[in-house]
Amino acid sequence: GEDVEQSLFLSVREGDSSVINCTYTDSSSTYLYWYKQEPGAGLQLLTYIFSNMDMKQDQRLTVLLNKKDKHLSLRIADTQTGDSAIYFCACWGDSSYKLIFGSGTRLLVRP
Amino acid sequence: GAVVSQHPSRVICKSGTSVKIECRSLDFQATTMFWYRQFPKKSLMLMATSNEGSKATYEQGVEKDKFLINHASLTLSTLTVTSAHPEDSSFYICSAAEGQGPKLRSPLHFGNGTRLTVT
Repeated sequence: GEDVEQSLFLSVREGDSSVINCTYTDSSSTYLYWYKQEPGAGLQLLTYIFSNMDMKQDQRLTVLLNKKDKHLSLRIADTQTGDSAIYFCACWGDSSYKLIFGSGTRLLVRP
Repeated sequence: GAVVSQHPSRVICKSGTSVKIECRSLDFQATTMFWYRQFPKKSLMLMATSNEGSKATYEQGVEKDKFLINHASLTLSTLTVTSAHPEDSSFYICSAAEGQGPKLRSPLHFGNGTRLTVT
């Protein structure tokens, strides 16, 4: 079945850039998402990219997609302590009509 | 602002009782709604997909008689946990989207989740 993988933990210093990586297996994925989850809260849609794009930038967020390698990344510029949260990569499969989530990357921003 | 509203945010119930969780789309027609369950420090597990006016499609291993899903209108879906047991304690999250199947329009918006505790 479809699989989405992420590293579990990332620690950065405030002001640095954070890069969270994700790999997926479903080549029919059309939309690829990044969600943020703060403790005890639901999921907040941060950004998404359509599979025919290589890059999408939205203020401090940059998404890079390498469709050949099925690799997605989220770069957060000038990371702030308020960015500390769990970040989920999710892929929408055009054959399964489901959103499959990675395990989430816990981002810790140190002052 | 929130485009999907989920209620209640927290509920504590006694073992053997049933609990209903509501998921509403606020400014779009949610033809499709998804229900997820999240265990502590884990990812989201898809439980079922519901389409307005038809029966929900459950994922393998999810008991449909235990987790009743109703999607009677384009703005409301409900998940009822029947005869709840402590092992049903979890964080349940809904999401909604316009369209259906191959015509489903992204992105999916999520509710804020419901933390269910069964004592």
